[in-house]
Amino acid sequence: AQKVTQAQTEISVVEKEDVTLDCVYETRDTTYYLFWYKQPPSGELVFLIRRNSFDEQNEISGRYSWNFQKSTSSFNFTITASQVVDSAVYFCALSETYGGATNKLIFGTGTLLAVQP
Amino acid sequence: KAGVTQTPRYLIKTRGQQVTLSCSPISGHRSVSWYQQTPGQGLQFLFEYFSETQRNKGNFPGRFSGRQFSNSRSEMNVSTLELGDSALYLCASSLMGNTEAFFGQGTRLTVV
Repeated sequence: AQKVTQAQTEISVVEKEDVTLDCVYETRDTTYYLFWYKQPPSGELVFLIRRNSFDEQNEISGRYSWNFQKSTSSFNFTITASQVVDSAVYFCALSETYGGATNKLIFGTGTLLAVQP
Repeated sequence: KAGVTQTPRYLIKTRGQQVTLSCSPISGHRSVSWYQQTPGQGLQFLFEYFSETQRNKGNFPGRFSGRQFSNSRSEMNVSTLELGDSALYLCASSLMGNTEAFFGQGTRLTVV
């Protein structure tokens, strides 16, 4: 069965610290997609990244980086030199393809990141 | 480029009533998905529409329904509201399958 696990419920760091948010997924599918979203207090989910199962290259975008490891079914997200504006709930999500193209996202329970000044 | 627009932003309804929520996707996007977010259950998929057809459905009772119009705008309806339906309802817009989903700000429904 498909599942996304974010074991860290809450993380608190001080500004400028690096922080890694963990994501572990389960799927029967061989072709799937992984996503990270940020949800600030306003409620809107903000898209951060999409990665397909055949692309295991790590990605860096500014202070954000993602580490995809198929061998451990993990897709971890690191924020370097965190800032107060990074405070939000972060969700990891999975989208499968075995039933055909779909935009159905299976979300993890989210990690609340609090960055203290 | 305008983002995803959900209306209304806030809604208070009484148990037993019905409610209709609206979502206007990003121009050119043909897929609209709906999600329910609650503190207890997290983010749960309700259904997805693509070119006016329901392509996928989550595990929700039949009281939850939706539709999509020819201009890709979508509505979801909840009939016979229960207290447990109180939630943030989020709509997501995508170009096609397995692509990035862009979310609206949501409609916060409170059932009293």
